Amino acid sequence: AQSVTQPDIHITVSEGASLELRCNYSYGATPYLFWYVQSPGQGLQLLLKYFSGDTLVQGIKGFEAEFKRSQSSFNLRKPSVHWSDAAEYFCAVGDINDYKLSFGAGTTVTVRA
Amino acid sequence: NAGVTQTPKFQVLKTGQSMTLQCAQDMNHEYMSWYRQDPGMGLRLIHYSVGAGITDQGEVPNGYNVSRSTTEDFPLRLLSAAPSQTSVYFCASESGPNSYEQYFGPGTRLTVT
Repeated sequence: AQSVTQPDIHITVSEGASLELRCNYSYGATPYLFWYVQSPGQGLQLLLKYFSGDTLVQGIKGFEAEFKRSQSSFNLRKPSVHWSDAAEYFCAVGDINDYKLSFGAGTTVTVRA
Repeated sequence: NAGVTQTPKFQVLKTGQSMTLQCAQDMNHEYMSWYRQDPGMGLRLIHYSVGAGITDQGEVPNGYNVSRSTTEDFPLRLLSAAPSQTSVYFCASESGPNSYEQYFGPGTRLTVT
């Protein structure tokens, strides 16, 4: 069965600093990987996704993620965070054979001035 | 397009009561799903549907029923509410094969006392 681990429950970062959120997955074949963001009181919004090809994926809001098969990782990065990036971030892995997604527990990002 | 809509936004139930959470999408998406979100656990799939008349169980289906009589609507029924069902519920839809992008509704916050 597929699963996702997000090792960091909470990260605090200064505005303008870089951000990296970790995601490790377990899946038997080539995974479909996703990062979602959830602002307070809102639903989830897709930031980016990886299916195949280039292992560095660009997303919305200036985020990117890198797929590393050897490390079973799909870490999310942003070079310079803005106060509006304060939110909860979820990594998810999808099954190629159906539509189901398995989510990690999430990482809450706090941005300090 | 309104996207994915959910009603109500908030609900308080007493143990043993029943209710239906409504979900509708106006994007003609084939796939719809229900998740529950609990602190520290990410999102867990309750039920999903790959088209009108077709539903299946997800990871945590007990205590919930679904039906899909139309493409647009996918209601979630709680048969006899329990305090363990206190959670935030999200509905999502996806256009179909090779899409792998789920659109989430704003959520319903349910409290069972």
